[in-house]
Amino acid sequence: GDSVTQMEGPVTLSEEAFLTINCTYTATGYPSLFWYVQYPGEGLQLLLKATKADDKGSNKGFEATYRKETTSFHLEKGSVQVSDSAVYFCALSGGTSYGKLTFGQGTILTVHP
Amino acid sequence: DAGVIQSPRHEVTEMGQEVTLRCKPISGHNSLFWYRQTMMRGLELLIYFNNNVPIDDSGMPEDRFSAKMPNASFSTLKIQPSEPRDSAVYFCASSFSEGNSPLHFGNGTRLTVT
Repeated sequence: GDSVTQMEGPVTLSEEAFLTINCTYTATGYPSLFWYVQYPGEGLQLLLKATKADDKGSNKGFEATYRKETTSFHLEKGSVQVSDSAVYFCALSGGTSYGKLTFGQGTILTVHP
Repeated sequence: DAGVIQSPRHEVTEMGQEVTLRCKPISGHNSLFWYRQTMMRGLELLIYFNNNVPIDDSGMPEDRFSAKMPNASFSTLKIQPSEPRDSAVYFCASSFSEGNSPLHFGNGTRLTVT
């Protein structure tokens, strides 16, 4: 079945550091890929998405490129801020219908001033 | 757009009591999902509906849990009787049923069973 694997956290960075959170997936067919972010006390929010190979999703300085050859969708940001501290989830929508997503286990990011 | 609305935000109850969590999805969305989040298990999909019909309830932990969607604008998740191990944050999410449609989450209900 479909699955998503994220790098284990927590990840701790200083402000303005470069961020990479690795995500790889297993799926049949051609899934759509997503990154969600969860701030303390809130639900998950869509951060960015890509729907086909080589697509790059971007939002708020974050980027991720859909790499079919390596089945990866790594999240990157060139310069993190304290306000980026949150939990980040990689997810895929596979060949099944109804909009169901398969989520990774989440990566906690803490950014210090 | 009001987003997905869940109530209550916090629920504290005693073991053995019935608990009902409520969700109003985004208008026009035809898929609805109930998730549970804990530190130990992360985010777990409990059940999901499409056009008000339950599609997959294999994530429901046991018979004490039940969910209904009587119409397109309302769903409930009920736990009866509740146990301390049910303590978690319960999220409702909705979407259009197309494969690349994102999920929209509510802010969750934090349930504490003492």
